[in-house]
Amino acid sequence: DTAVSQTPKYLVTQMGNDKSIKCEQNLGHDTMYWYKQDSKKFLKIMFSYNNKELIINETVPNRFSPKSPDKAHLNLHINSLELGDSAVYFCASSPMRRETQYFGPGTRLLVL
Amino acid sequence: GESVGLHLPTLSVQEGDNSIINCAYSNSASDYFIWYKQESGKGPQFIIDIRSNMDKRQGQRVTVLLNKTVKHLSLQIAATQPGDSAVYFCAENRGGADGLTFGKGTHLIIQP
Repeated sequence: DTAVSQTPKYLVTQMGNDKSIKCEQNLGHDTMYWYKQDSKKFLKIMFSYNNKELIINETVPNRFSPKSPDKAHLNLHINSLELGDSAVYFCASSPMRRETQYFGPGTRLLVL
Repeated sequence: GESVGLHLPTLSVQEGDNSIINCAYSNSASDYFIWYKQESGKGPQFIIDIRSNMDKRQGQRVTVLLNKTVKHLSLQIAATQPGDSAVYFCAENRGGADGLTFGKGTHLIIQP
């Protein structure tokens, strides 16, 4: 009965590869998000997605692209992975924008 | 730069004592604030929130205080328990379409 789930939990890959992280929420929320947490625990918004409207943080490289097959899913695709992409990526959802966000367990990405 | 920050990166308290975690924000347009708890290896977990039309809100063993005059937010945890050991983040929603802006986090350590 997990509210926000992510797969995989761990992802180790080589530089230059393309990878995807999946996120699903069963809360019936309208808005989903992706955050990146660096080694110093700092959390930063990457994307928010609501009813097919995508808001992108301008600092996110265009190698990152979210894809939403339906309202309950927001997957994160990363092309040409770089060493600096190593971080923990969290998916979150909220009933609407400007409301409490609920986070998934995170995906720990390590690029070698 | 970030507009939400924490005064103390690490706070150590004795089990059973009360703890106070502080947070400063600089954006006057922020109208919604949330405290999250993040345990090691997990995603941020919602603790309590407060909107800008309030100055105090209480939950179970937790109280959030908001001082809009000095743009200060605090989280009080009463009778701390070992399970309260975690990193605590304050976050603000500035009313736009983007996600939450997180502070740097305070590591709360409960001493036995």
